[in-house]
Amino acid sequence: VQLVESGGGLVQPGGSLRLSCAASGFSVSDYFMDWVRRAPGKGLEWIGRIKNKDNTEYAASVRGRFTVSRDDSKNSLYLQMNSLKTEDTAIYYCGREKGGSYYVGWLDPWGQGTLVTVSS
Amino acid sequence: QSVLTQPPSVSGAPGQRVTISCAGNNSNIGAGYAVHWYQFLPGTVPKILVYGNTNRPSGAPDRFSGSRSVTSASLAITGLQAEDEADYYCQSYDRSLGVVFGGGTKLTVL
Repeated sequence: VQLVESGGGLVQPGGSLRLSCAASGFSVSDYFMDWVRRAPGKGLEWIGRIKNKDNTEYAASVRGRFTVSRDDSKNSLYLQMNSLKTEDTAIYYCGREKGGSYYVGWLDPWGQGTLVTVSS
Repeated sequence: QSVLTQPPSVSGAPGQRVTISCAGNNSNIGAGYAVHWYQFLPGTVPKILVYGNTNRPSGAPDRFSGSRSVTSASLAITGLQAEDEADYYCQSYDRSLGVVFGGGTKLTVL
């Protein structure tokens, strides 16, 4: 069971970037999948989660700018980030939610993270 | 400012016991949502230590234990070891904010 993120890099303020998270050892369609970020010198911030295209949830700080999606044929999760701001600079992690009996489960596993830098 | 409040840092000598608190309110922990705890070791993938307030996943050392009261939770580490030096985060759910994390606690092993 593994998650591998990709797609990070340097982008200018106002720009866009799409992150990918490839899953192996399980089907992303069977779980809630989450994106979380960690800005330099700061703590973790939850970004959003998806169960299916009709069941998504976002943090207020990214709602309307970021979109979480899933491609079951590729067993992958995506994070489309638009209108990027300097404060979006962070390491971005994807994670599988476990614990269906809980309203929100725990993330296990996490990916290794991909760095997004928003700077001019 | 995180809605779940953790101490920025804690420390202890090898073999000692330390606790890390996670204080919430009636919109998150106090509303009955479960608390989960993670360990962030430098250069490694984040790891679940405790789920559902008090449960330890397979692979997590039994030196780690979780507890919960009305609006807060705690992670206790007994028999402190050098390799426990890491950042620790609590996670829950808030009725208004969605999934929430604590601000994180840096554990230093003296």
